Order: sequence, then structure tokens, then C-alpha cells
Amino acid sequence: DIVMTQSPLSLPVTPGESASISCRSSQSLLHSDGNNHLDWYLQKSGQSPHLLIYVGSNRASGVPDRFSGSGSGTDFTLKITRVEAEDVGVYYCMQTLQTPYTFGQGTKLEI
Amino acid sequence: QVQLVESGGGVVQPGRSLRLSCAASGFIFSTYGMHWVRQAPGKGLQWVAAISYDGSKTYFADSVKGLLSISRDNSKDTVYLELNSLRVDDTAVFYCARGRAPAGYLGLDVWGQGTTVTVSS
Repeated sequence: DIVMTQSPLSLPVTPGESASISCRSSQSLLHSDGNNHLDWYLQKSGQSPHLLIYVGSNRASGVPDRFSGSGSGTDFTLKITRVEAEDVGVYYCMQTLQTPYTFGQGTKLEI
Repeated sequence: QVQLVESGGGVVQPGRSLRLSCAASGFIFSTYGMHWVRQAPGKGLQWVAAISYDGSKTYFADSVKGLLSISRDNSKDTVYLELNSLRVDDTAVFYCARGRAPAGYLGLDVWGQGTTVTVSS
């Protein structure tokens, strides 16, 4: 199975500042189709997860452009610019290159 | 309105079985792959299973192979997850999520509210 490792596991931020979360995979997520098969999800307290970024850098519908995904191969980053209070929650990366899909441990963003 | 609604969770004794359901609405269910993801209390997300749009292909996490099965009834817009030989550490919230679209993979873009399975004697 592909192992996903996120860092940091806890990320205190000040509103208005930027925040970055790293996600590394145990093998390359670059598919022969040219895409990196890596998603980002946010789970707010008491809620279901929701999709932020798919296939490496594509923002899901309705996701503010403050959120961006980058990276290739085994190293990926989720960047949040101008962090707002509503961004608090646990962020997960998930590889979709091959089954079983696997999540990172999660990064808790705190204001 | 695109929606997924899970049901079937509850308290069950170790060793017993349980079938979870996820009813879809607001989209053409028969054209999407579907997934189940679980979350143990206080823990992270774990992908457990998926099924192709037509039910011809199924996929499982290694840790649950042989212990659960996934199926779908496109005439009822519903996907199922059958949990067998349940153990105490299977206690979790189970989410269903919409997967691969006709246009290709666009993320797990719709999630249900989750259904809680508690395994306890």
C-alpha cells in the first residue's frame, strides 16, 4: 500500500496569514496520464469531510481560490493564503493512484 | 440537490453482521463510482471500499478484505456495505462518498453525513 505522511500534524495560524501543509507519498503519484493522483479534504469539527483539491491542483467546485494544491511525484503541498477562522479543521491528503486509496494522518489547523 | 444519506448503523455485538445503506439523489447514480470511508472515534479517515458505476468491479482495503462486501442497486440509487464478523475495533462512523464521474475522476466530491457503527457486547 502507498503510505501517505503529512506534516505538521498541528498547525497554529493567525488569521490573515498563510499556511502550508506538506504531504509525502511512499511512491510517485504521477500517473501515465500526466496527472498526480492526490486529493485534499477538510473535515471541520462534527462534520463530514469535503473535497478541496483533486488530482493534485484542481480546486473543487465552490472552494475559495485561497486554497491551492501543488507538487508532483512524491511531494505535495496545500497552501492556504489569508487564513480565515472558518478554515479551522483537520486537513487530509489522499492518494488515488491505486487501490487501496490511502489517507495521510491529518493536519489540525488551529487559529 | 445532490445528496447521499447513509443508514443502517447501530449497536451490534461482536461477531455479528450489519448492512449499511447509502441512498443517492440529485444525480445519475448509475454513472458514478461509489466509495465507503470510515473513521474510528478520535481517529483519522480510512478508505475501506469502492465499487464501479455498474457494480462489475469492487475494491477493498487490505485490512478489511474478506470481512466486508460492497454492492449497489442502480434501480434503487443505493450502495451497500455489508460488515461481517464485526470486532470492537470496527467501531466507527462510516461515510459514503461519490467517486469517479462519467467525465473522469473529480475527487470524492459528495459525502454523506455518516452512519455510526458501535460494536459492543
